[in-house]
Amino acid sequence: GAVVSQHPSWVICKSGTSVKIECRSLDFQATTMFWYRQFPKQSLMLMATSNEGSKATYEQGVEKDKFLINHASLTLSTLTVTSAHPEDSSFYICSARAGETQYFGPGTRLLVL
Amino acid sequence: DAKTTQPTSMDCAEGRAANLPCNHSTISGNEYVYWYRQIHSQGPQYIIHGLKNNETNEMASLIITEDRKSSTLILPHATLRDTAVYYCIVRLNSGNTPLVFGKGTRLSVIA
Repeated sequence: GAVVSQHPSWVICKSGTSVKIECRSLDFQATTMFWYRQFPKQSLMLMATSNEGSKATYEQGVEKDKFLINHASLTLSTLTVTSAHPEDSSFYICSARAGETQYFGPGTRLLVL
Repeated sequence: DAKTTQPTSMDCAEGRAANLPCNHSTISGNEYVYWYRQIHSQGPQYIIHGLKNNETNEMASLIITEDRKSSTLILPHATLRDTAVYYCIVRLNSGNTPLVFGKGTRLSVIA
């Protein structure tokens, strides 16, 4: 199947700093990518839909000014967690659609101290 | 909101077939059934999907009832590495509709 990569795989940062997570589709182009987050022992929650060359669409309750999404090319989308706080600590997972199937990255574990 | 219902957990003996059920009684005519699994601390892995016909690939088989209100994912010979949370999801295949995850079934394969 298609491959989606994420970088970094894990990050620890101080409260108040910003963290950028990259998501790449390695062997296909993706006009649309999706960002999810997952808290311990919970399921994946969709945060936003990222569209190449246009603004992202955020799910209800997700702050667009806090979670900045940029989808500048057909193979790269970035999620920036601005002014991170301990409650933003989570597992962030991106996804991209190739044909009928949505493929997922390996995830980025964020710990905010 | 997830449109599927799955048992919270299941056990399966290693080497035996694992049969994971899913109810999707409100599925519409043009929605597909997708199965993914998530091994601890990894991103979800695509397994299989189908519309109304049974499907089989190298990982699993998908059996969809004639009325499409339920389906079963079959792992023919479960191994310890199949221990994971399995998600059954229904979704339209048009546009940019994302996958919406429910709580899934935690499958434990036991030696």
